[in-house]
Amino acid sequence: DGGITQSPKYLFRKEGQNVTLSCEQNLNHDAMYWYRQDPGQGLRLIYYSQIVNDFQKGDIAEGYSVSREKKESFPLTVTSAQKNPTAFYLCASKTGNTIYFGEGSWLTVV
Amino acid sequence: QKEVEQNSGPLSVPEGAIASLNCTYSDRGSQSFFWYRQYSGKSPELIMFIYSNGDKEDGRFTAQLNKASQYVSLLIRDSQPSDSATYLCAVKRGSYIPTFGRGTSLIVHP
Repeated sequence: DGGITQSPKYLFRKEGQNVTLSCEQNLNHDAMYWYRQDPGQGLRLIYYSQIVNDFQKGDIAEGYSVSREKKESFPLTVTSAQKNPTAFYLCASKTGNTIYFGEGSWLTVV
Repeated sequence: QKEVEQNSGPLSVPEGAIASLNCTYSDRGSQSFFWYRQYSGKSPELIMFIYSNGDKEDGRFTAQLNKASQYVSLLIRDSQPSDSATYLCAVKRGSYIPTFGRGTSLIVHP
């Protein structure tokens, strides 16, 4: 089945640790995105990539990093520089005019 | 700064009624308008989208655009308890990345 797969679904991070969230899509979409969602805050764009080997910062990129070495994959690393990383993270890809989302990953700092 | 505003709600309607959700946007050049439904703890799923040239009906859902007043509406006819969710509006200009509102919580009570 075609789709956007995020893993892990739940992740716990100790303070000072870097963690990486995986996002894989088999839809052959060029553009991919990472959003963060906090309660009552809506969706905030972290990073996006329009094409392989290229990506741009979104509105809240500080403390995050990404790579886009393959069309199918767009992993997000939450670094220790991100002081408040507990949130719901959504990966998305775009076809035509429309963005579709993966199932999301919950990250909690313990 | 492009803005998309939604009343956070909750909007409460009885089963079988029409639910009317609104979204205002600041960018007069917006051309595409999207409605997503998000169940608690899940990722957003696309319900429908319209372009600036007209309204659209899909089953129980109708999206309407008022360009002069810069708002877009989603009407849900014959509301069901399973429609209870948060509804996110997104607005886009050309090839730009869409801007999301914070969402409106809808509760359909039996």
